[in-house]
Amino acid sequence: GALVYQYPRRTICKSGTSMRMECQAVGFQATSVAWYRQSPQKTFELIALSTVNSAIKYEQNFTQEKFPISHPNLSFSSMTVLNAYLEDRGLYLCGARNENTEVFFGKGTRLTVV
Amino acid sequence: GDQVEQSPSALSLHEGTDSALRCNFTTTMRSVQWFRQNSRGSLISLFYLASGTKENGRLKSAFDSKERRYSTLHIRDAQLEDSGTYFCAAELPNSGTYQRFGTGTKLQVVP
Repeated sequence: GALVYQYPRRTICKSGTSMRMECQAVGFQATSVAWYRQSPQKTFELIALSTVNSAIKYEQNFTQEKFPISHPNLSFSSMTVLNAYLEDRGLYLCGARNENTEVFFGKGTRLTVV
Repeated sequence: GDQVEQSPSALSLHEGTDSALRCNFTTTMRSVQWFRQNSRGSLISLFYLASGTKENGRLKSAFDSKERRYSTLHIRDAQLEDSGTYFCAAELPNSGTYQRFGTGTKLQVVP
């Protein structure tokens, strides 16, 4: 079956430092990967959409300078939160799909900033 | 503006009762996916629909095939383990687009 492994599941970082999270697609080719953030008590905001062989598209309020993303092949993507502050805390999810199919989500990376 | 409106925002059901959640879209959508988020934050995919209806046990989902502007999730004979937050996510009919999430329905099933 199709699965997306996301790690780490939880991380704590000091204010002003950076952390990286990764997603691995298993059982299908991840032609596109979307990264979302769920802030406390809120819904999922799209950060950026990465499609193989296309430029990564960032949503308003999110930039490559703050959330650099790598999508080097059809099974792996990573995103870094640079210079994290309190407002960056939340649950980060990656969702991957092959073309126009169901999206498979990882279990999320919960970021705490102290 | 917001394109996925989900209702109700919160719902309390007694065990054994039925209910329905709904997502309205301000524009035509290509597909919809329903999720339940558990207490640890993980999203569990319930249904993915490009049209029509799907059923799995006590859950049934429908996506309006004509205008493609709303979807429903029906819960029959609610059980305690159905508690959680339910999200719909819909996709615009352009290639390479992503899913836009609704604001969620927090469901609590009580004895």
